[in-house]
Amino acid sequence: EAQVTQNPRYLITVTGKKLTVTCSQNMNHEYMSWYRQDPGLGLRQIYYSMNVEVTDKGDVPEGYKVSRKEKRNFPLILESPSPNQTSLYFCASSLGGAAGELFFGEGSRLTVL
Amino acid sequence: GQQLNQSPQSMFIQEGEDVSMNCTSSSIFNTWLWYKQDPGEGPVLLIALYKAGELTSNGRLTAQFGITRKDSFLNISASIPSDVGIYFCAARRTGYSTLTFGKGTMLLVSP
Repeated sequence: EAQVTQNPRYLITVTGKKLTVTCSQNMNHEYMSWYRQDPGLGLRQIYYSMNVEVTDKGDVPEGYKVSRKEKRNFPLILESPSPNQTSLYFCASSLGGAAGELFFGEGSRLTVL
Repeated sequence: GQQLNQSPQSMFIQEGEDVSMNCTSSSIFNTWLWYKQDPGEGPVLLIALYKAGELTSNGRLTAQFGITRKDSFLNISASIPSDVGIYFCAARRTGYSTLTFGKGTMLLVSP
């Protein structure tokens, strides 16, 4: 089944404790992206990747890192999480680069205390 | 950055009613997309529009790419309870690698 898989789905952590949210897609998509969703603010792009080893900042990259060592994986790294990074995070991928239909994962709800 | 103004923010309607929502911007876009997010899930693409003036239907859903390329609307006819969710417009400008999303319209349907 074609899908975008994120882990963990739910996480409660404390300020400053490094964490990684993994994202994997099995559709051989070149383009992958991370969004955060907050009430009243909709979906805001954090980082995106056009292909392996090619990443770029989105609208809200501060406090996040990403890597794209393989086509299927695009982990989101919070080196030192802070409470303002409490949010619902979505990974997405598409075949046609930024012009293609985005397929979203089921989301990862992160709480930073 | 580019902004999409999506309205209304929320709607509470009776089953069977028609629904209309729209997105506007001061920028010109070459692609407009409409996504729906069910509770607890990620957004799923409903309709994609690639040409100014284009009118596209998907079952009870109809969307149009505005002739000025600065807006788009989505209509849902004869709403049913499973239409409940958050609807997002999204748009992309030529040469840009990012998709801008509206803030969403939350739709609630009363049986």
